[in-house]
Amino acid sequence: EVQLVESGGGFVKPGGSLRLSCAVSGLSFSNAWMTWVRQAPGKGLEWVGRIMSKTDGGTVEYGAPVKGRFTISRDDSKNTLYLQMNSLKTEDTGVYYCTTDLLGPWEPFWGQGTLVTVSS
Amino acid sequence: DVVMTQSPLSLPVTPGQPASISCRSSQSLVYNNGNTYLTWFQRRPGQSPRRLIYNVSNRDSGVPDRFSGSGSGTDFQLKISRVETEDVAVYYCMQGTHWPWTFGQGTKVEIK
Repeated sequence: EVQLVESGGGFVKPGGSLRLSCAVSGLSFSNAWMTWVRQAPGKGLEWVGRIMSKTDGGTVEYGAPVKGRFTISRDDSKNTLYLQMNSLKTEDTGVYYCTTDLLGPWEPFWGQGTLVTVSS
Repeated sequence: DVVMTQSPLSLPVTPGQPASISCRSSQSLVYNNGNTYLTWFQRRPGQSPRRLIYNVSNRDSGVPDRFSGSGSGTDFQLKISRVETEDVAVYYCMQGTHWPWTFGQGTKVEIK
């Protein structure tokens, strides 16, 4: 069974930092292209960024609102995806989901999400 | 960034009746390899999102065949041939052709 389990969410003040983790099991993580998606309270889904597998180059792309502040990385030895969030803003508040590749022919798997609250 | 515009944003439907959601992109979604990376997601209350359709019209495994996707270029549709109560959800289109990927605002389907 494929499982994606996010952790690391919590309460942080504006300007602070937080690192989210996504532990993946049940699939070949090192070959997986992974994505972060978020949803602010009362708002729609927002694409945060994607990281390719290292064998495919490991390229990372980011959405405009987070570019320069967030960093996506992976540790294939731990089957874990990370989202380092710096210079957090109140508008970064929301539930953050990790997912497998959203575009490929195999159904993407999603985590249950982790809540990040940025507030003074 | 490519802007994805969905309509309507709210869609009350009677069970057994059809429903259609439109998604328009501000640029053509045809990639240089000929593929069109337009996907549809369903977000039921209290659940993580689920992909229904990829590359405009390909249904994911396990998705009921009452769901279908169509369109080309900049205009796309998601159709539900006969709405069931379990289809109550917010539906999102997303483009993966241009960086950064972008979602539509979402369409809330509810039962009349």
